[in-house]
Formats: sequence, C-alpha cells, structure tokens
Amino acid sequence: EAQLLESGGGLVQPGGSLRLSCAASGFTFRSYSMNWVRQAPGKGLEWLSYISSTSRAIFQADSVKDRFTVSRDNAKNLLFLQMSGLRAEDTARYYCAKDIFGDYPNDAFDVWGQGTFVTVSS
Amino acid sequence: QSVLTQPPSVSGAPGQRITITCTGSSSNIGAGYDVHWYQQVSGAVPKLLIYGNRNRPSGVPDRFSGSKSGTSASLVITGLQADDESDYYCLSYDRTLSASVFGGGTKLTVL
Repeated sequence: EAQLLESGGGLVQPGGSLRLSCAASGFTFRSYSMNWVRQAPGKGLEWLSYISSTSRAIFQADSVKDRFTVSRDNAKNLLFLQMSGLRAEDTARYYCAKDIFGDYPNDAFDVWGQGTFVTVSS
Repeated sequence: QSVLTQPPSVSGAPGQRITITCTGSSSNIGAGYDVHWYQQVSGAVPKLLIYGNRNRPSGVPDRFSGSKSGTSASLVITGLQADDESDYYCLSYDRTLSASVFGGGTKLTVL
C-alpha cells in the first residue's frame, strides 16, 4: 500500500526557515511526480509545488515561488520542501501528495500524507 | 481568490441529488485540462473522489459522478447520505499560472 509520511513541522519565528520531509513507501517513488499542498486553519486547500520524477520539471505557486524550494532524493524515497522567509500567513498543515499516473502536471493526487503542521509566530 | 470558482455551500436532504459546480476559464478547464474532485471530512486528509473529469477510483461509490463542459465541471452526488457531509474541492491546471489550482471549496450540508 502506498504511503506518505511528512515530518519537520513545528513552531518557527517570522522570517525563519524550516525544511519539511515526506517519506514515501509502498510504491516506486522514482516513477511519480510529487506535490506539496497546504491548508491554513479553517481555509481551503492550496497547491504549492510540483516536482517531476527526475526533478527536471518544477512548478511552484506564485505565493511561495521566491521563498520555498521543492526537491527530492529518489535514492532515499524522500521529498523535501525548504521554506524560508516564513510569514504568519504560512501557518498551515502541509501535505505531500503523489500524482496518480506519473509525470503530468495536470494529474490528480491519489495518495496523501497525514500532513505536518507549521506555525509561524513570535 | 481562486481561478476556479465553487459555491461556498450547498445542501440537500437524505436521498436527494446535489450538484457542485467548478467554474474556470479558457486558461484552465476551458483549455482542456482535466478536473479532479476531492472530499475532505472535517480535519481529515483529502480523499480523491473523481479523476480525469469523470473517473472514480476503486472504492468510491457510483453515487458520485463527474462531468466537464466548456469552462466548467460538475460533481453530482445522488442518494445523499449523512456521511456525505464534507467539504468538496475541485482541482485543475492553469496554463497562464503554470500551476495546479484548487477551487475554493464547497461545504455540503445534509439536512
């Protein structure tokens, strides 16, 4: 069974940095593109970033483009989100999600992790 | 403000049929990009309901169906049940933004 497990969330001060990780298991990680999605308390889902299976293609939402960086380590089945310049409005639950079929930016996300919560506050 | 517009709320009685719309533009749905639908029970992980406009993953009841026409897509739920009460989100791709985009979400209340 395909599974994703995020880690690395926590409390960080405004302007600070944090790196989130997503550990994949139960599927051939290197064959699928991956995404990060977040949800602020009481708000809707917001897609943040896409990374293709080989890391050759990366897309990011304008809201985080200059502050967040997505990367992956296919040898270790890990997905990362490096976040810097954090703001109060970045407070949210962050999910990693797997594309259903493969390297296609318009794919559905069929497997989601439980999420990791990031709080940006002084 | 999302580029995909959903009604904030819909409601229906048990057994009834409801429709949730997702309205986009020529930059996303109207450009031929697929629409996918998610169900999120309060506080839970989103669950894929419909992918590729009209396809159901295994395990999703056929009470849930999706369609797409022009710049809009729809999720239809028939035989409404109490545990259908959730938030529903559409997802597509926008070529102007070069980004995936979620709709703002629709809260379904079962009366």
